Amino acid sequence: EVVLVESGGGSVQPDGSLRLSCAASGFIFDDYPMHWVRQTPGQGLEWVSGINWKGDSIGYAESVKGRFIISRDNARNSLFLQMNSLRVDDTAFYFCAKSNGGYGDYGGAFDSWGQGTLVIVST
Amino acid sequence: ALTQPASVSGSPGQSVTISCSGITHDVGGYNYVSWYQQHPGKAPRLLLYDVSHRPSGVSHRFSGSKSGATASLTISGLQSEDEADYYCCSYTTSNSLTVFGGGSRLTVL
Repeated sequence: EVVLVESGGGSVQPDGSLRLSCAASGFIFDDYPMHWVRQTPGQGLEWVSGINWKGDSIGYAESVKGRFIISRDNARNSLFLQMNSLRVDDTAFYFCAKSNGGYGDYGGAFDSWGQGTLVIVST
Repeated sequence: ALTQPASVSGSPGQSVTISCSGITHDVGGYNYVSWYQQHPGKAPRLLLYDVSHRPSGVSHRFSGSKSGATASLTISGLQSEDEADYYCCSYTTSNSLTVFGGGSRLTVL
């Protein structure tokens, strides 16, 4: 069974930083691309970032480009999201999601999701 | 974002269809449309990928199709547990890799 567990969320002031982690188990982690998807409480889903199995092909949503950095450690079956220069509108639940590798370097449907970790950016 | 109706409803046993409208740069140009179900307080769950493919474990009551730049999710034999939010998602050649629809809340009457 695929299990994804996010951690690292919390409250931070604008312009602050947070580092999210996602611990993966139940599948061969370095066989699949991984992603971060966020959801503002009570609102819709937004793709944030994705990374291929090797970590050398990466993409970001325009809203986070230049501020967030995705990375992975295949030896530790872990995915990370370094979030810098946080803004109030970054407030959301952040989900770690496994891709089925359906297209491109890191594209595909999100076939497994974690439960999410809440990030609150507020003064 | 892809355009979905904000809400849909149906009675138990009936069928409902949720539309997802995009453009040629996303839904209209590629068969990389996926659908997700999300119950309150839960993580999304993949229902369909590549327009109409069901992952193992997903009921045959869920089916997908696409015509032009509009994809559709049909849920047949509605059950109370189908009451949830549904999101479509597509590969896009615009700024981001992937774009989601705004979500549709299904109410089972």
